Amino acid sequence: AQSVTQLGSHVSVSEGALVLLRCNYSSSVPPYLFWYVQYPNQGLQLLLKYTSAATLVKGINGFEAEFKKSETSFHLTKPSAHMSDAAEYFCAVSPHSGNTGKLIFGQGTTLQVKP
Amino acid sequence: DTEVTQTPKHLVMGMTNKKSLKCEQHMGHRAMYWYKQKAKKPPELMFVYSYEKLSINESVPSRFSPECPNSSLLNLHLHALQPEDSALYLCASSQGGGTVGYTFGSGTRLTVV
Repeated sequence: AQSVTQLGSHVSVSEGALVLLRCNYSSSVPPYLFWYVQYPNQGLQLLLKYTSAATLVKGINGFEAEFKKSETSFHLTKPSAHMSDAAEYFCAVSPHSGNTGKLIFGQGTTLQVKP
Repeated sequence: DTEVTQTPKHLVMGMTNKKSLKCEQHMGHRAMYWYKQKAKKPPELMFVYSYEKLSINESVPSRFSPECPNSSLLNLHLHALQPEDSALYLCASSQGGGTVGYTFGSGTRLTVV
């Protein structure tokens, strides 16, 4: 069964510092991979997705992620953190073939941005 | 229209009440989903509808009853809920798979008293 592991339930960075949120997946076949952000009391917003095209994926709000098959990783980065980036971030995986989309989430990482 | 709209945004109900959550999308997506999210936890899949037919039920208790009246609407009927069912209920839609991604609504915050 596919699964997603997010390393670090809580990440704290200073404003302007690099943001790195880690995600590893387990799958014999590279799946579709997603990063979502959730602000307090809101739904999930798609940041970016990997669907077997370019391995470096650029998303909204200056975020990007790199798919590394050899490391089964899909880490999320942003060069310079803003206060508005403080939120919950979820990595998620969907099987690559023939499905109606059973999206499986990691446990989430809370990003704190300090002034 | 690129949104999934959920109503109501907040709902408080007693354990003997019957209520319904509503979800609507006009993106032509043929798959729709209900997720339950407890505080500080990831969303958990409850139901999947594909082409208006229930395709996945993740062993959800029968006090939750989904309904898909048409390709744009998804309801979740609630009856005899327990306080532990209090959570954020999220609806999502997708174009039938993972390639495009999933669009989520802003959720209904449910409190069972």
